Amino acid sequence: EVQLVESGGVVVQPGGSLRLSCAASGFTFDDYAMHWVRQAPGKGLEWVSLISWDGGSTYYADSVKGRFTISRDNSKNSLYLQMNSLRAEDTALYYCAKVIWFGELLGPFDPWGQGTLVTVSS
Amino acid sequence: DIVMTQTPLSLSVTPGQPASISCKSSQSLLHSDGKTYLYWYLQKPGQSPQLLIYEVSSRFSGVPDRFSGSGSGTDFTLKISRVEAEDVGVYYCMQGIHLPPWTFGQGTKVEIK
Repeated sequence: EVQLVESGGVVVQPGGSLRLSCAASGFTFDDYAMHWVRQAPGKGLEWVSLISWDGGSTYYADSVKGRFTISRDNSKNSLYLQMNSLRAEDTALYYCAKVIWFGELLGPFDPWGQGTLVTVSS
Repeated sequence: DIVMTQTPLSLSVTPGQPASISCKSSQSLLHSDGKTYLYWYLQKPGQSPQLLIYEVSSRFSGVPDRFSGSGSGTDFTLKISRVEAEDVGVYYCMQGIHLPPWTFGQGTKVEIK
């Protein structure tokens, strides 16, 4: 069974930093591109970032560009999101999600993890 | 960025009755490869989103055939032929062609009467 488990979400002060992790299992992790998507409390879905299967290509939403860095360690079947200069508007449940097509950057995402909550507040 | 607009934003449906959700994109989602990169997700209460439909009308693995997608260009529709209690939640459309960013509709909340 494909499984994605996020961790690392905590309460952090504005301007602070945080690293989220996503542990993947049940599939050949280094064959698939991976996304981070977030959902502010009571709000809709906002795409955050994408990384290719080999980590060679990365993409970011304008709202996080220059502050967040996506990375992966295929030897550990893990995806990461380094979040710096955090703002109140970054408060959200952060999901990692797998692209469904082997070797593709494009395509829909499934499954999604259960999410990890990041709260930016003083 | 591509804007995805869903209507209605909420829907109350009697079990066994049909339901329909519209999604309009600000630009055509038809790619030069002939495919249209429009997807539908369902987020059930307290759960993560799950993929229902990809490329307008293809049901993802395990999705019941009461769900169907249609449309072309900029106008798309998700239909549930006979709503069941387990179909409650928020439905999102998403575009996957004009990237980045991947963009979602605002969501349509479906409730049971």
